[in-house]
Amino acid sequence: GAVVSQHPSRVICKSGTSVKIECRSLDFQATTMFWYRQFPKQSLMLMATSNEGSKATYEQGVEKDKFLINHASLTLSTLTVTSAHPEDSSFYICSAITSGREGEQFFGPGTRLTVL
Amino acid sequence: AQTVTQSQPEMSVQEAETVTLSCTYDTSESDYYLFWYKQPPSRQMILVIRQEAYKQQNATENRFSVNFQKAAKSFSLKISDSQLGDAAMYFCLGNKLVFGAGTILRVKS
Repeated sequence: GAVVSQHPSRVICKSGTSVKIECRSLDFQATTMFWYRQFPKQSLMLMATSNEGSKATYEQGVEKDKFLINHASLTLSTLTVTSAHPEDSSFYICSAITSGREGEQFFGPGTRLTVL
Repeated sequence: AQTVTQSQPEMSVQEAETVTLSCTYDTSESDYYLFWYKQPPSRQMILVIRQEAYKQQNATENRFSVNFQKAAKSFSLKISDSQLGDAAMYFCLGNKLVFGAGTILRVKS
């Protein structure tokens, strides 16, 4: 149980376009979802915290107008990278938590974004 | 803000041997959770072990165990009988969503 999926697994786009990444909890309801960014051989950096039906909370230094997060239901959160640039190329990972498993995050498999 | 420090960028261990990965953290809270996650080449994050701060007993999961020293704010991971499949990047995580820098573990056959 506690499976999280991400789609797409990898995407290549042109500079200036927008890209949407979906994060779904497949067999549980996620009280909260998180979005991370990871550069090669580096740690995960939290970008934002997403709760169903409310605005996401962004970490310091993360542009909320560039990284749009929508949490439409207890099983789906989306991250849209708007007007993507090559420096946005990275590995994006989502995670979800649920009640009863305090603090434990269930991670999606990640999405590799390449902006040309 | 919470900080998590992993001071070993890379570690190597011979297959079947034991290795310990270190992690120290800083928090002002008295009740919290700590986690070790592994990230193999597939990049899927996998929970290895969790520790609740209010429990004095060190957590154990098969070949994986922790040495939790609350006063010293230390949370090291011991891997016994290392296997080739243990090769991965290991991250220490506090409950404030702060990851350590990670330790790359290489297992030699």
